[in-house]
Amino acid sequence: AQSVSQHNHHVILSEAASLELGCNYSYGGTVNLFWYVQYPGQHLQLLLKYFSGDPLVKGIKGFEAEFIKSKFSFNLRKPSVQWSDTAEYFCAARLAGGGADGLTFGKGTHLIIQP
Amino acid sequence: GAVVSQHPSRVICKSGTSVKIECRSLDFQATTMFWYRQFPKKSLMLMATSNEGSKATYEQGVEKDKFLINHASLTLSTLTVTSAHPEDSSFYICSARASGIETQYFGPGTRLLVL
Repeated sequence: AQSVSQHNHHVILSEAASLELGCNYSYGGTVNLFWYVQYPGQHLQLLLKYFSGDPLVKGIKGFEAEFIKSKFSFNLRKPSVQWSDTAEYFCAARLAGGGADGLTFGKGTHLIIQP
Repeated sequence: GAVVSQHPSRVICKSGTSVKIECRSLDFQATTMFWYRQFPKKSLMLMATSNEGSKATYEQGVEKDKFLINHASLTLSTLTVTSAHPEDSSFYICSARASGIETQYFGPGTRLLVL
């Protein structure tokens, strides 16, 4: 069965700390991978996505993610977090070429940045 | 960027009544819309995929007679929770994509509380 797992449900960091959120997927085929962010009271926004090519993907707000096929991973990183990064982060996946398919989401990571 | 709206943002209803939730793409034509359900502290779960002018495709375990989906136009999809019960209380989120575009754009969600 297709699944996406996020290892950390809650992460608390201080401002300027480095961030890495884990995401692993289990799919029977080539996948498209996404990271979404949900700020308090707001809707899901796309941070970045990987379809093919360079496995290191840069997104908005200084975030990046690396696709490691051998590890079935797509971890999200940011070198220096800010208080405004406090939010819920979701990793998601679908089969490649499945533009008309819905996404499978991980359970989310609640990130709190302390000033 | 593309904007997706949902109405209402929150609704409280009595057990046994039906509730309709609207999902609109405001500045693009959505050939496909998706309906997700988000339980507290859990991930988004895909309920169904809705293509304009055709019947929705439901995920395994989702009752199609319980959750009626209509995608009558390229900018509107509706989800009707029929004969709602307290266990249907949840956060319902829609997303939409345009033809040929891989990215889904999410609505702000509708919080349903069934008393």
